[in-house]
Amino acid sequence: DAKTTQPNSMESNEEEPVHLPCNHSTISGTDYIHWYRQLPSQGPEYVIHGLTSNVNNRMASLAIAEDRKSSTLILHRATLRDAAVYYCILRDYGYGQNFVFGPGTRLSVLP
Amino acid sequence: ETGVTQTPRHLVMGMTNKKSLKCEQHLGHNAMYWYKQSAKKPLELMFVYNFKEQTENNSVPSRFSPECPNSSHLFLHLHTLQPEDSALYLCASGSSGRVNTQYFGPGTRLTVL
Repeated sequence: DAKTTQPNSMESNEEEPVHLPCNHSTISGTDYIHWYRQLPSQGPEYVIHGLTSNVNNRMASLAIAEDRKSSTLILHRATLRDAAVYYCILRDYGYGQNFVFGPGTRLSVLP
Repeated sequence: ETGVTQTPRHLVMGMTNKKSLKCEQHLGHNAMYWYKQSAKKPLELMFVYNFKEQTENNSVPSRFSPECPNSSHLFLHLHTLQPEDSALYLCASGSSGRVNTQYFGPGTRLTVL
């Protein structure tokens, strides 16, 4: 499976933008980039996904490097509720692979 | 809201007990999953069901026995567990499509004494 590398932890101030990086240098052409997050005492929840182009939804934006070897999840205005572990996952749609969760990035949001 | 419910939310059991975890999804998905999340460790995929058929078993010990009677329900039967099986057990559902976005339940926090 293609692997991802994320910082163990990050901090942000409330109401400021947050950029969460993910490196995936061995990504293949059929790997989707998925982001999930896990709030305390809850199951993971879907945030966003992309293949080649940048993506926006109501939760976040996903910026994908031109060579696809890295991506950044952007929270435009962090709130206390955004404090969670964020997972960047690659999944090869061509083979119908399952998700492999790494340790993710623990985001703390300071008031 | 996720549309995936799990019961019970908390369970304490002895090593000789038999118990079952239940998962129900109301999203019309055809794939369901069991994951295990131990303290300080990433989520580990345990079992995958597609259209009620088990398609993956990630070398899970036989003391964990899944059951999928229909596309909406998934069970995990537990017997003679060990203390190291204490963890958060998460159920998820998804469509077997190209993107396969998964929707997770809140989990069952299991403690084995």
